[in-house]
Amino acid sequence: AQTVTQSQPEMSVQEAETVTLSCTYDTSESDYYLFWYKQPPSRQMILVIRQEAYKQQNATENRFSVNFQKAAKSFSLKISDSQLGDAAMYFCAYRRDDKIIFGKGTRLHILP
Amino acid sequence: ETGVTQTPRHLVMGMTNKKSLKCEQHLGHNAMYWYKQSAKKPLELMFVYNFKEQTENNSVPSRFSPECPNSSHLFLHLHTLQPEDSALYLCASISTGTGNNEQFFGPGTRLTVL
Repeated sequence: AQTVTQSQPEMSVQEAETVTLSCTYDTSESDYYLFWYKQPPSRQMILVIRQEAYKQQNATENRFSVNFQKAAKSFSLKISDSQLGDAAMYFCAYRRDDKIIFGKGTRLHILP
Repeated sequence: ETGVTQTPRHLVMGMTNKKSLKCEQHLGHNAMYWYKQSAKKPLELMFVYNFKEQTENNSVPSRFSPECPNSSHLFLHLHTLQPEDSALYLCASISTGTGNNEQFFGPGTRLTVL
């Protein structure tokens, strides 16, 4: 069965600095998709970034980028130039067809 | 706004009450999900419906009863709940036709069982 592990329950970063959130997963499939979602306090869960497993190039969305290591089954999220609005719970997710597995999340604190 | 709506946003109920949570999306998605989010277990998948057919029931107690009359609507019927069922209940939807599509989440219903 597929699993997704986020080993950092909480992290803190100084405003304007860079932080990396880790995620590892386990699957026997070769074709799947990976996502990072953000859930700000009392707000809706929204997509941050996505990665297709068949693509070697790491996805980038403005200040957000991933380090996708397929062989190692690792999918970390890097946030550059951290802003106060980045404070949230971040979930890593694995998807194949309609099956979606979430990690337990990492709570990110931004220190002013 | 993500295009997924949930009502009510807040619900307080006694253990003997019967209530229903509603989720609606008009994004053309074919799959809909119920999740339970609590402090102790951040995000638990409860049910998955794909083209109105239930494809996943993650060992959820029978006091939670899902209903999916069509691909746009999803209900969660609640009866004789326990205080430990108090949590944020999230609905999500997705179009499975294109693999890289992400889930769209509703704002959730904050449920308190007294």
